[in-house]
Amino acid sequence: QKEVEQNSGPLSVPEGAIASLNCTYSDRGSQSFFWYRQYSGKSPELIMFIYSNGDKEDGRFTAQLNKASQYVSLLIRDSQPSDSATYLCAVPDDYKLSFGAGTTVTVRA
Amino acid sequence: GAVVSQHPSRVICKSGTSVKIECRSLDFQATTMFWYRQFPKQSLMLMATSNEGSKATYEQGVEKDKFLINHASLTLSTLTVTSAHPEDSSFYICSARGLVADTQYFGPGTRLTVL
Repeated sequence: QKEVEQNSGPLSVPEGAIASLNCTYSDRGSQSFFWYRQYSGKSPELIMFIYSNGDKEDGRFTAQLNKASQYVSLLIRDSQPSDSATYLCAVPDDYKLSFGAGTTVTVRA
Repeated sequence: GAVVSQHPSRVICKSGTSVKIECRSLDFQATTMFWYRQFPKQSLMLMATSNEGSKATYEQGVEKDKFLINHASLTLSTLTVTSAHPEDSSFYICSARGLVADTQYFGPGTRLTVL
């Protein structure tokens, strides 16, 4: 099984700040990467995916991929209390997805 | 697009009964669906992969006779928890594999409580 590592947190940031989440993966051949957000008591929601090295921006979210270093990160700009959740990184593993344990983010008002 | 529904959202049953959970892809066809279980404050645990028209593939340690999976159409997969016990109480979540590479879209989940 492909390994995906995330800092479990919790990561606490003040409202309006940038939250930076990191994820490393074991398989150098991985081609696509996914970020999910999971609110407490809810199911995961896909927020971004990235295939190419570099940055991909979607609203306040930016995913950054560095295949040479085998890490993918997620930046949340202008963090809001509504961003408080657990963020899961995932990579394809055969027909499945391997998930990291998730990073819990708390945005302080 | 890529909406997945689950029914019921919450169920309470007595020990020894069976419970069926439905997972539907509403606006796309999903040849592959997945069933997960999640205990409070723990990670997602993949239980099985459901393929339309074929037998499900179960993860190690998951009893296939206890967790019956049927994927009879391209938009519907069902999970039946047979002879449920209190330790089966959990949050059950399905997902459907999307058309774009390996994306998975999750249903809202079913919270099962076995008394």
